[in-house]
Amino acid sequence: EDKVVQSPLSLVVHEGDTVTLNCSYEVTNFRSLLWYKQEKKAPTFLFMLTSSGIEKKSGRLSSILDKKELSSILNITATQTGDSAIYLCAVERGSTLGRLYFGRGTQLTVWP
Amino acid sequence: NAGVTQTPKFRILKIGQSMTLQCTQDMNHNYMYWYRQDPGMGLKLIYYSVGAGITDKGEVPNGYNVSRSTTEDFPLRLELAAPSQTSVYFCASSYSAGAGPYEQYFGPGTRLTVT
Repeated sequence: EDKVVQSPLSLVVHEGDTVTLNCSYEVTNFRSLLWYKQEKKAPTFLFMLTSSGIEKKSGRLSSILDKKELSSILNITATQTGDSAIYLCAVERGSTLGRLYFGRGTQLTVWP
Repeated sequence: NAGVTQTPKFRILKIGQSMTLQCTQDMNHNYMYWYRQDPGMGLKLIYYSVGAGITDKGEVPNGYNVSRSTTEDFPLRLELAAPSQTSVYFCASSYSAGAGPYEQYFGPGTRLTVT
């Protein structure tokens, strides 16, 4: 059975801290891994990582895909209260294009 | 562009009632999806569509039906509502070209309670 596991499930930090969120997966025929941010409503897209693009960066957020370890990390540096959200990891299989398998998410809370 | 829109935002149903959740996208995306999200859980795929007239089951299709008569609309039908269908429902869409679909864009969600 395909699995996507995120850790930790919740995390509380103070503004300015650096955090690392983890996502491990066991899926057959892996195609891509996506990160989404969810703030009380709809998830919004952050990054897509594939075999041809294993590292992405946008401002204070960056993500790396480790295909050997079947995992990905999402780093957030100099956290701000606006980073408080649920961060979702999802994996796509090449045999079922478009279908995403989501983890349970990491609830990040940033205190001022 | 409005993106992906969903109606209604909230709904309370009695057990055994039926309803349709509406989803429309104006980005000319060919792929559309319906997910449900239970508290503390990730999203589970209910149904998806790769184009008008084509639909397929996801992980949790029981108790739901869909149709896709146009590119823009992808309604989700709940028949004989049950308390287990209490959840937040998200519609999403994505564009597919070449090697496969790109990232999915989500609507604002519908919070459904069945009592």
